[in-house]
Amino acid sequence: GENVEQHPSTLSVQEGDSAVIKCTYSDSASNYFPWYKQELGKGPQLIIDIRSNVGEKKDQRIAVTLNKTAKHFSLHITETQPEDSAVYFCAAGVDNAGNMLTFGGGTRLMVKP
Amino acid sequence: DAGITQSPRHKVTETGTPVTLRCHQTENHRYMYWYRQDPGHGLRLIHYSYGVKDTDKGEVSDGYSVSRSKTEDFLLTLESATSSQTSVYFCAISESSGANVLTFGAGSRLTVL
Repeated sequence: GENVEQHPSTLSVQEGDSAVIKCTYSDSASNYFPWYKQELGKGPQLIIDIRSNVGEKKDQRIAVTLNKTAKHFSLHITETQPEDSAVYFCAAGVDNAGNMLTFGGGTRLMVKP
Repeated sequence: DAGITQSPRHKVTETGTPVTLRCHQTENHRYMYWYRQDPGHGLRLIHYSYGVKDTDKGEVSDGYSVSRSKTEDFLLTLESATSSQTSVYFCAISESSGANVLTFGAGSRLTVL
């Protein structure tokens, strides 16, 4: 089955700096790579996703890059703000309704004002 | 967490007792999932459902059973709770078509003493 590893497990940055979270996956059949943000006391929420036919996707201050050859993808957050503080999860799976996603272990991002 | 309600939100129980967690959705989504979240392990799939009375096992299904008698309700049962099942449990739903975008509930924190 799929195995997703996520690094780092914790990340502390100064407000305004950039943050990068990296994930690797094992199954070359995976073609869908979402990122979820989990705020304290809440369920994870999708913030951005990328499919394997695209190398990079951007949405305002967040971007995701994908390297299928190396089987890794990354989340980039620019101009970090205190409200970006949360736990972030990457996941990998096949882009098909109902198929299961395999999640990484999570990264706790702390943005210091 | 609009459209998904988990109950109870918090529960403390003793080893050996049965426990049922309930997930209720108002979105009429076909797919429903139960995940558990533990530090360092991210989100791991316990069971999922692809329709009424249609369920299947996930990655960590041992010690858990599920039932789905109506589209809107998905129950997770621990027949005889153990301390290793102390965790935060999340229900998620996804639509019947399109990419596998998950919408999560707010979670149920279970402590087994």
